[in-house]
Amino acid sequence: QLQVQESGPGLVKPSETLSLTCTVSGGSISSSGHYWGWIRQPPGKGLEWIAIIQYSGQTYYSPSLKSRVAISVDTSKNQISLNLRSVTAADTAVYHCARQIEYHWYFDLWGRGTLVTVSS
Amino acid sequence: QSALTQPASVSGSPGQSITISCTGTTSDVGGYNYVSWYQQYPGKAPKLIIYDVTNRPSGVSDRFSGSKSGNTASLTISGLQAEDEADYYCSSKRSDSSVVFGGGTKLTVL
Repeated sequence: QLQVQESGPGLVKPSETLSLTCTVSGGSISSSGHYWGWIRQPPGKGLEWIAIIQYSGQTYYSPSLKSRVAISVDTSKNQISLNLRSVTAADTAVYHCARQIEYHWYFDLWGRGTLVTVSS
Repeated sequence: QSALTQPASVSGSPGQSITISCTGTTSDVGGYNYVSWYQQYPGKAPKLIIYDVTNRPSGVSDRFSGSKSGNTASLTISGLQAEDEADYYCSSKRSDSSVVFGGGTKLTVL
């Protein structure tokens, strides 16, 4: 069964870089027709799209986060990664990894998410 | 980059129908048939319930239906059940090749 699992530190200090990894199991990250990406949800708030990447390396970023975000893919490990620089308390959120369908822009597979708190 | 506009909350009694609206612009909802809807229970991951405005994934109840008119998309839940009580989010492709979500709607089954 295809699954995604997020991992990374639960606590990051202000001004530092938040780094997360998403591991795909039960299938290949290199499957055609799919992008893999990140969506976050601050506690008690709504969803925010961050970025997506395809196995080829093609990327799309949220315009509001683009200056601080980098997404990458490692097909040998079946993983994608997220780096978010210069974090503040506003970046505190549950970060979900998800699969986005190419050309249709919806997410059909979600991870449970990992809570990242930005605090000194 | 404003979020799509959804009512903060809606409510209905078991057996009734409710509709949740999702209003955007010609750069997102009005410009593409790429509106999707997600159901989220507290502490859980969102679940896709509608994609491409009107389509239901396999396994999703036919009590859920989607539509769109102009810049506003809608999710209708018919025959409301207690298990439908959750948060609902719409999303759409944007003209800048990004995705925008709605602010979310909390559905209460009375």
